Amino acid sequence: AQRVTQPEKLLSVFKGAPVELKCNYSYSGSPELFWYVQYSRQRLQLLLRHISRESIKGFTADLNKGETSFHLKKPFAQEEDSAMYYCALSGPGDYKLSFGAGTTVTVRA
Amino acid sequence: DTGVSQDPRHKITKRGQNVTFRCDPISEHNRLYWYRQTLGQGPEFLTYFQNEAQLEKSRLLSDRFSAERPKGSFSTLEIQRTEQGDSAMYLCASSSEEELEQYFGPGTRLTVT
Repeated sequence: AQRVTQPEKLLSVFKGAPVELKCNYSYSGSPELFWYVQYSRQRLQLLLRHISRESIKGFTADLNKGETSFHLKKPFAQEEDSAMYYCALSGPGDYKLSFGAGTTVTVRA
Repeated sequence: DTGVSQDPRHKITKRGQNVTFRCDPISEHNRLYWYRQTLGQGPEFLTYFQNEAQLEKSRLLSDRFSAERPKGSFSTLEIQRTEQGDSAMYLCASSSEEELEQYFGPGTRLTVT
């Protein structure tokens, strides 16, 4: 069975401080991993995916297969990063997404 | 706006009534997904279409739920004999055959009283 765990429901950081959102997964095989974000009053949208290995809005995420983790990091949080963040996975050739419960990030001035 | 659209945005219904939601995907996307999201949880997969074919259904999709995509364009999700436990946000997403990225609609919030 595939499962995504985000252990933190809420995360509060000061502007300019580093932020790390944890994501652990269980999947027998090599999944595709994603981070989706939902800003206030906006729809869910893709932030980044592990296969593209790119930094989006200053965020990066490293896939650690040994620890089955895909933590999201940003060295200097900005107020506009306040949002709900969801980690998600899909199996190769399997198009549905399995989401974690989400982490609400608040960046304080 | 060429994004995914959903109608209605909100629906309040009494227990036992039937409801139907509509999703219009991005026009060139041949894949369409339905998810359900309850308070404090991430979206949960319900079902998936490739063109007009329904290729996968979750165990969450009980016999009271049915989804269609008759011409491979818009899709409908019907819930018969609604129960209070059906209260949730119902999300639709679409993707192209070439991309993994799913584009989500704004959702339909269902409240069953």
